[in-house]
Amino acid sequence: QKEVEQDPGPLSVPEGAIVSLNCTYSNSAFQYFMWYRQYSRKGPELLMYTYSSGNKEDGRFTAQVDKSSKYISLFIRDSQPSDSATYLCAMINTGKLIFGQGTTLQVKP
Amino acid sequence: EAGVVQSPRYKIIEKKQPVAFWCNPISGHNTLYWYRQNLGQGPELLIRYENEEAVDDSQLPKDRFSAERLKGVDSTLKIQPAELGDSAVYLCASSISSGNEQFFGPGTRLTVL
Repeated sequence: QKEVEQDPGPLSVPEGAIVSLNCTYSNSAFQYFMWYRQYSRKGPELLMYTYSSGNKEDGRFTAQVDKSSKYISLFIRDSQPSDSATYLCAMINTGKLIFGQGTTLQVKP
Repeated sequence: EAGVVQSPRYKIIEKKQPVAFWCNPISGHNTLYWYRQNLGQGPELLIRYENEEAVDDSQLPKDRFSAERLKGVDSTLKIQPAELGDSAVYLCASSISSGNEQFFGPGTRLTVL
């Protein structure tokens, strides 16, 4: 079993939809939780970073962490075609980034 | 500010041939990482450097992979000999120090025939 599980999708939504992306993890030692966005033929870029359980909002993006359930989510409001990318959750364990396998999102105009 | 630079962007080789990838991190970044990303998967760490010292190479297949960062700036990752299963994207990342945000390069897409 992988330490971080993420539904690979693909996920296709119409423009303006609310998108929910999720990851589960098995190691309770994880303390830092991140979401990366990766466009085709590009490297991942950090989108959001959270430490504690609860919500963190940044514009149209909200990251949610539930440590008791070992479950994290990323919500995208008013999704745009430019949001079409692969979204990777990631967690830090002993200084090492552990990534989920990524969810591919397509937002159709 | 220039980002992480990697070359080549694409490489096609036959199995058993050697191949090398080069990475130039963001200026001033002491920590450099090499990751491998298989198709449909997230990146997996191969090796982490603090300046010129390899501090985590536990996931590097040492029988065929080697890496160096001689002057603590740019780095080279080598595979010799390459196998079919080495086909992947090899990503380089850097950060000011370990634990800080990592910035990724565009990667080198390797195809082994």
